[in-house]
Amino acid sequence: QSALTQPASVSGSPGQSITISCTGTSSDVGSYNLVSWYQQHPGKAPKLMIYEGSKRPSGVSNRFSGSKSGNTASLTISGLQAEDEADYYCCSYAGSSTYVVFGGGTKLTVL
Amino acid sequence: QVTLRESGPALVKPTQTLTLTCTFSGFSLSTSGMCVSWIRQPPGKALEWLALIDWDDDKYYSTSLKTRLTISKDTSKNQVVLTMTNMDPVDTATYYCARALCGYSYGLPYWYFDLWGRGTLVTVSS
Repeated sequence: QSALTQPASVSGSPGQSITISCTGTSSDVGSYNLVSWYQQHPGKAPKLMIYEGSKRPSGVSNRFSGSKSGNTASLTISGLQAEDEADYYCCSYAGSSTYVVFGGGTKLTVL
Repeated sequence: QVTLRESGPALVKPTQTLTLTCTFSGFSLSTSGMCVSWIRQPPGKALEWLALIDWDDDKYYSTSLKTRLTISKDTSKNQVVLTMTNMDPVDTATYYCARALCGYSYGLPYWYFDLWGRGTLVTVSS
């Protein structure tokens, strides 16, 4: 069982917006704005999409955005495109003994 | 261009020790803020962080696996090695190495994984 809770699946039509939630606790997501998000296509390595809660690496589309409220972080993808269909994982800093925890992953289907 | 490549055995027997090597290029692990980490993913399951080594040779381990893991680096060869003892079939997974960008927040070390290798599948079976 993963430390961070994500919905198993979400779906949306091309052009729509979707949000993937990542719920942790006051020991991880709630205490630090240090959540990162990774996109993983089948059979491929994960790719960093968001770091430090809301920052986008160079080259990542501005259709991807991150936010946080309380113990829940969120990844929003606007203007859905077929190539966004993938698994998405959140990851949070979790303090000086656990360090890092991942979510269970969310499968995004573009209808 | 930054690249990372994992290498090691595809098959190990239960109770054996697994040794994986991450060979990287395009950055130096002696540069402040640079780190290399190992993450694994059992087939069809989620990512699990294992270990990280930083530019200053500080090492960090998953709490649940720390007794079985050792991470080390050879800066001159641009390599990071992970050993995992007492392998079990539940350790069957794709093992990734990733570059991590390390910093400090609230006085504590933190990181995120900005570039990943392609991964290597390790199967544990007799």
